[in-house]
Amino acid sequence: ETGVTQTPRHLVMGMTNKKSLKCEQHLGHNAMYWYKQSAKKPLELMFVYNFKEQTENNSVPSRFSPECPNSSHLFLHLHTLQPEDSALYLCASSQDGEVSTEAFFGQGTRLTVV
Amino acid sequence: ELKVEQNPLFLSMQEGKNYTIYCNYSTTSDRLYWYRQDPGKSLESLFVLLSNGAVKQEGRLMASLDTKARLSTLHITAAVHDLSATYFCAVDMIHQAGTALIFGKGTTLSVSS
Repeated sequence: ETGVTQTPRHLVMGMTNKKSLKCEQHLGHNAMYWYKQSAKKPLELMFVYNFKEQTENNSVPSRFSPECPNSSHLFLHLHTLQPEDSALYLCASSQDGEVSTEAFFGQGTRLTVV
Repeated sequence: ELKVEQNPLFLSMQEGKNYTIYCNYSTTSDRLYWYRQDPGKSLESLFVLLSNGAVKQEGRLMASLDTKARLSTLHITAAVHDLSATYFCAVDMIHQAGTALIFGKGTTLSVSS
């Protein structure tokens, strides 16, 4: 596989459920990101991981919990979400520290909270 | 707080005509990125501009960067239907241990004949 792969592509969950989003990058990058894209707001940066260390938490509610076990994998654990959390969740990776921080995105997970 | 502003947010274009999208940003970054997003799809990288005066062209799209004015433009020449999409510009945000991209709200282009 190549690029950035996200699973699942679609997810419907109740407010009391616990689920996880998975992201895997095959680009050899050292940084990974979670973004949220909703109809009402532009692309919002949620979390940043550089070399497996979380370096940015952009005031995200604690019902979103990221995990980065290695530089190729990134998870977003979800629990007790609200309907307003319904959105497209995009994972991206880049080679931070180089001339360019060009990010490569996965296909996204379309999340619906009911 | 880093701000990235695009205008217009919506652009209805006629086939064959020329248009320009503007991207203003508030930081001193000299790196700017353009992405395209088709409905229901993810973001695809279009251009990476890495210095003042940088100009990149691909087909009917040309992007330029003026870091002194903190302005990038995406120029569309002779619009065609397959350019209909949402276009985002993004700028590096430097944080404690690295960088991440901060995006504008996007400009949705619609091309009609």
